[in-house]
Amino acid sequence: GAVVSQHPSWVICKSGTSVKIECRSLDFQATTMFWYRQFPKQSLMLMATSNEGSKATYEQGVEKDKFLINHASLTLSTLTVTSAHPEDSSFYICSASTQGLATPYGNSPLHFGNGTRLTVT
Amino acid sequence: GNSVTQMEGPVTLSEEAFLTINCTYTATGYPSLFWYVQYPGEGLQLLLKATKADDKGSNKGFEATYRKETTSFHLEKGSVQVSDSAVYFCAPLGQGAQKLVFGQGTRLTINP
Repeated sequence: GAVVSQHPSWVICKSGTSVKIECRSLDFQATTMFWYRQFPKQSLMLMATSNEGSKATYEQGVEKDKFLINHASLTLSTLTVTSAHPEDSSFYICSASTQGLATPYGNSPLHFGNGTRLTVT
Repeated sequence: GNSVTQMEGPVTLSEEAFLTINCTYTATGYPSLFWYVQYPGEGLQLLLKATKADDKGSNKGFEATYRKETTSFHLEKGSVQVSDSAVYFCAPLGQGAQKLVFGQGTRLTINP
């Protein structure tokens, strides 16, 4: 249980274009999802908290106009990297909160997608 | 807010060696403590957790004990395998909180 699907798993795009990454909770409803960014050999940096039906909450230093987050339903959140540049190349990981859900979903507070490797050329 | 300090990597061991990855945390109240593992090219998976002081979490031969007096949650395994090669993250979660704050991660490589 508590499967989170992230798509695409990798994407290569040209500088200046926009890229959308989807995060879906397949067998549970997630009112809250989180987006992380991970540079090579570094920890996960929380970018934003995505709440269904409301605006995302961004962490300090994250440009909300560059990283657009939409959480239109209880099972889908999207991250759009707008006007991507090579410095945006990174591994982006989404996670869905299972806080408050009965086990086995609630065994971990978060369930993670497998990540999206973005390369901007 | 919560914070965590993990043993710096990378850590390289031979198969069947004993493993310890240190983790100390700062948190208000009584957080739950988690270890997550990230295999190459994947997201994170829960490895084990402990929700109160002196609890021991265990899974796949790994163990960690919640030590409130030393604010630590060190990860141990008695005999590592090549398949344990991954990055390990320690994370506290405060009561009622949803945001997990991760340590810097410790990359573990096990050589046959």
